[in-house]
Amino acid sequence: AQSVAQPEDQVNVAEGNPLTVKCTYSVSGNPYLFWYVQYPNRGLQFLLKYITGDNLVKGSYGFEAEFNKSQTSFHLKKPSALVSDSALYFCAVRAMGDSSYKLIFGSGTRLLVRP
Amino acid sequence: GAVVSQHPSRVICKSGTSVKIECRSLDFQATTMFWYRQFPKQSLMLMATSNEGSKATYEQGVEKDKFLINHASLTLSTLTVTSAHPEDSSFYICSVAKTGKQETQYFGPGTRLLVL
Repeated sequence: AQSVAQPEDQVNVAEGNPLTVKCTYSVSGNPYLFWYVQYPNRGLQFLLKYITGDNLVKGSYGFEAEFNKSQTSFHLKKPSALVSDSALYFCAVRAMGDSSYKLIFGSGTRLLVRP
Repeated sequence: GAVVSQHPSRVICKSGTSVKIECRSLDFQATTMFWYRQFPKQSLMLMATSNEGSKATYEQGVEKDKFLINHASLTLSTLTVTSAHPEDSSFYICSVAKTGKQETQYFGPGTRLLVL
């Protein structure tokens, strides 16, 4: 069965510091991995994805994530956090061989960037 | 990307009435759309896969007679909550699936349903 774990309910960082939001996954075969951000009372906004190719993926708003196959992880990172980055972040996975295109979402991590 | 709209953004209804939520793909023809439900401070729960021109595929535990899905065109899917009850109050979000090399799901802004 496919699953995604986001072990931290909340991550607190100071503005200007680097941030990391953790994600690990379990899937049969190769994964497609995604990060989304959700602001209050809004839908999800796509940040970045890993399908194939370079393990380091760069996305919107200065975010990046590194696919680590041996550790089955896809942690989201940003070198310098902004207060406006405060939001709810979701990691999602789909197995490459799954033709339904359904995504399995993690439980979400709330990022709080303090001034 | 893809631009997805939902209407209404917020709806309040009385218990026992039916509510229709529209999901439109504004710049992309989507053969596959998804409907999710999100409870406060929780993750998204997939309710069903909406397939253009065919019946929706519902996830286990989701009542297909209560949550009617119609995907009549490549740009519109509707979710009708029939005989709504207070426990149906939730945030409903749709997404459209871009497939192939550019595979990504793009989400609508969500619809807040409150059943009194």
